Amino acid sequence: ETGVTQTPRHLVMGMTNKKSLKCEQHLGHNAMYWYKQSAKKPLELMFVYNFKEQTENNSVPSRFSPECPNSSHLFLHLHTLQPEDSALYLCASSQDHGGSTYEQYFGPGTRLTVT
Amino acid sequence: EDKVVQSPLSLVVHEGDTVTLNCSYEVTNFRSLLWYKQEKKAPTFLFMLTSSGIEKKSGRLSSILDKKELFSILNITATQTGDSAVYLCAVESGDYKLSFGAGTTVTVRA
Repeated sequence: ETGVTQTPRHLVMGMTNKKSLKCEQHLGHNAMYWYKQSAKKPLELMFVYNFKEQTENNSVPSRFSPECPNSSHLFLHLHTLQPEDSALYLCASSQDHGGSTYEQYFGPGTRLTVT
Repeated sequence: EDKVVQSPLSLVVHEGDTVTLNCSYEVTNFRSLLWYKQEKKAPTFLFMLTSSGIEKKSGRLSSILDKKELFSILNITATQTGDSAVYLCAVESGDYKLSFGAGTTVTVRA
């Protein structure tokens, strides 16, 4: 148990559905991240939020929309996804960047299948 | 573009063997190199390395960084079946972006 929780753990959705992934961290961190892990590919950074401000958007299609209402919660809103978006979506958190380097702690992930 | 390359991609060993995993990188404004172990879903943090030549150790695992040659190694001694996992190397660059390698799948047979 790393102090980072994600719900749901599994999600199957059609291409026309709208769903949201939720991440919550209980570590007092100020930075939160969304990653995508596809089969046989490295982890890909999608979004970074630092003190609730989005500081990184790694050329992610607009059908993925992040939301960070406070430093403990992070959402990923999904709309009109494609089958190739099926993957494991991992959330992570770390202390704020502030010129220092801190390790990221990962949640258990949401296994998403788009049919 | 930042690049992190891990080798080998996979290996199979027997309990008690020692394994050495490699990670080489090319990143802009290197800040740190991290090793993670991924068993089923979430990667779990192992080590963070920022200085060259200083070995980090935790039980049977150890890691060292060479900032001149741009690589790191992760050693696991006296392997156990519980060490079977994917080991991920990640490098943090100056813009606080973490780039991951493809991972090395380690299988330890009893």
